[in-house]
Amino acid sequence: AQSVTQLDSQVPVFEEAPVELRCNYSSSVSVYLFWYVQYPNQGLQLLLKYLSGSTLVKGINGFEAEFNKSQTSFHLRKPSVHISDTAEYFCAVIFNTGTASKLTFGTGTRLQVTL
Amino acid sequence: EAGVAQSPRYKIIEKRQSVAFWCNPISGHATLYWYQQILGQGPKLLIQFQNNGVVDDSQLPKDRFSAERLKGVDSTLKIQPAKLEDSAVYLCASTPSSVALTQYFGPGTRLTVL
Repeated sequence: AQSVTQLDSQVPVFEEAPVELRCNYSSSVSVYLFWYVQYPNQGLQLLLKYLSGSTLVKGINGFEAEFNKSQTSFHLRKPSVHISDTAEYFCAVIFNTGTASKLTFGTGTRLQVTL
Repeated sequence: EAGVAQSPRYKIIEKRQSVAFWCNPISGHATLYWYQQILGQGPKLLIQFQNNGVVDDSQLPKDRFSAERLKGVDSTLKIQPAKLEDSAVYLCASTPSSVALTQYFGPGTRLTVL
C-alpha cells in the first residue's frame, strides 16, 4: 500500500540548533516528494520538492532535504533554526501511477523553536 | 501574481445547518483541489476539478458534501447538513494543469460545527 509516515508529531529544539524532521514513504511506483510548511492560521507554503535529478534539494528559508530511495525517506534538515521557523511541517508525496497528480500528506510534525 | 483566494476565513455553525465555501484559484490555473484538514492530521483530498469537470471525488462524502466549478474558474464547496466531525480547515489549491506537480494553496476556511 502507498503511504506517507511522519513519525515525530512534535520536535522541540533550541534556537540556532540543527534540526531534522523525518519522512518515510511506502510505494511500489516512483514518487515525487514535497515538504510544505503551515504557519498558524495560514495555508500551506511549499518549502522544497524533489522531482528528479540531484537527491539533495535546497528550499526556501535555509531548509534542505535528501531523497534516499533505498531507505524510502525524504528527511528535512536545517543547520540552524530560528524562532520564526516554529510551524507545522508536512511531508507530501505524489505516487506516479500515471493518473492525475494526487498529493498524499503525512500527519505533520510540529517544530517548536525556543530560546 | 495573486494567490489562491478563499472565503470566508472562519465560519461557526450549528450541526445540521448548511455552509458554503468559496475558492478563486490563481488566474489561468485549470486544475483545482479541495482538501479537508482535521486538527492534528494532514490534508486529505476531497475533490479535484480539471476546468469544470470532476477528475477525482472518490473521498468526497457525497451524501452531505457537494462541489461545483461551473465556469471552470472559481469553485464552491457545500456541506448540507453539517455534522460535528466536519469541523476542520478546508483548503483550496490550484495548478496550471492536472499534470503539473506543484500545488499552490489558499489560506483555508476554518469551520467549527457546534
